[in-house]
Amino acid sequence: GAVVSQHPSRVICKSGTSVKIECRSLDFQATTMFWYRQFPKKSLMLMATSNEGSKATYEQGVEKDKFLINHASLTLSTLTVTSAHPEDSSFYICSAQQASGNTIYFGEGSWLTVV
Amino acid sequence: AQSVTQPDIHITVSEGASLELRCNYSYGATPYLFWYVQSPGQGLQLLLKYFSGDTLVQGIKGFEAEFKRSQSSFNLRKPSVHWSDAAEYFCAVGARQAGTALIFGKGTTLSVSS
Repeated sequence: GAVVSQHPSRVICKSGTSVKIECRSLDFQATTMFWYRQFPKKSLMLMATSNEGSKATYEQGVEKDKFLINHASLTLSTLTVTSAHPEDSSFYICSAQQASGNTIYFGEGSWLTVV
Repeated sequence: AQSVTQPDIHITVSEGASLELRCNYSYGATPYLFWYVQSPGQGLQLLLKYFSGDTLVQGIKGFEAEFKRSQSSFNLRKPSVHWSDAAEYFCAVGARQAGTALIFGKGTTLSVSS
């Protein structure tokens, strides 16, 4: 099946710094990628939807200047958490969808810890 | 509004017993339906999905789910639970057009007792 890879799987950063998480579709072209956030023992909360070459559409309550999403190619989307704070610590999961199908493939997730 | 409800936050089942996890959805159109499983600290694994056709869907690890349009439900079942099935289970719905994100329920934690 299709594979979506996230990197890094775990990252620790200092408060005030920025950290970038990559989401790659390895064997298909992802016209749309989705970014979710998951707090411990909670469900997945959709943060934003990004279409290749377009600005991301953010969900209500998600700070677009803090969570920068770029989808510059059909196989790569990035989430940059800017000026990270401890409350940004969370599990971030991306998913990708190809234009030719409706199946959405999920990455393995990235644990972010801000200290 | 589009939503997914998983009424049971936590379920404990004896090993070898049968399991049913409930999922109800509210969606404007006929949705695609999914069940995912997540082990602690891990990503999501797709158990099964329903797009169309036979309303009883078979998935991996011996799981099955039945789509009941009249009840807006997509309950997950397994006839005999194994200790390794202990995990978090999420029901999700999606639109039939591309470019729309999945909406997840809050999840059900499954514990398996020996």
